[in-house]
Amino acid sequence: DAGVIQSPRHEVTEMGQEVTLRCKPISGHNSLFWYRQTMMRGLELLIYFNNNVPIDDSGMPEDRFSAKMPNASFSTLKIQPSEPRDSAVYFCASRLEDLGNTIYFGEGSWLTVV
Amino acid sequence: GDSVTQMEGPVTLSEEAFLTINCTYTATGYPSLFWYVQYPGEGLQLLLKATKADDKGSNKGFEATYRKETTSFHLEKGSVQVSDSAVYFCALSSGYSTLTFGKGTMLLVSP
Repeated sequence: DAGVIQSPRHEVTEMGQEVTLRCKPISGHNSLFWYRQTMMRGLELLIYFNNNVPIDDSGMPEDRFSAKMPNASFSTLKIQPSEPRDSAVYFCASRLEDLGNTIYFGEGSWLTVV
Repeated sequence: GDSVTQMEGPVTLSEEAFLTINCTYTATGYPSLFWYVQYPGEGLQLLLKATKADDKGSNKGFEATYRKETTSFHLEKGSVQVSDSAVYFCALSSGYSTLTFGKGTMLLVSP
């Protein structure tokens, strides 16, 4: 079975440009998460969807960040305008809510803003 | 709120040495506990998990036991290999909430 699929894997962009990261969760999973990983802060939860509805977006840093989940098989995380401090690895993850609560991660999108 | 505390790294070991990475947690109720591993340049992979007290999770020679009395979930392996070099994350999930991660512990194994 395919895991969580993210694109692009690597992106280098200039400050001020719009960045869109994409995620396809595991088929049948009903929860989706966006995490950010940096050396300074470790893993931070940005936003969490359940059945395509945002449940907790308290981790979204500021208005420059937005996330959507238009259907059960696709989500985007957008940064507009991007800044050098947004450089990080962005992970998408998904889960089928059951007693095991296991969350499965994608390979990550490695973003560098110069 | 929920929190996870892991020992700071890096942990440096020789091949075939015994590994322990300590993890303690604070949570309301009865969380599920997880260890994830991140190899260089890759995403996080589930290594093992335990969903109730006294459960032992195991995978690839790694083990961890859910100890409710000490609120701990220490990761152990009897004989590490160079290929085990990675960052290890302890995490918990209460009910259907999101994962709360520790800061990660880097393991470096030399031949």
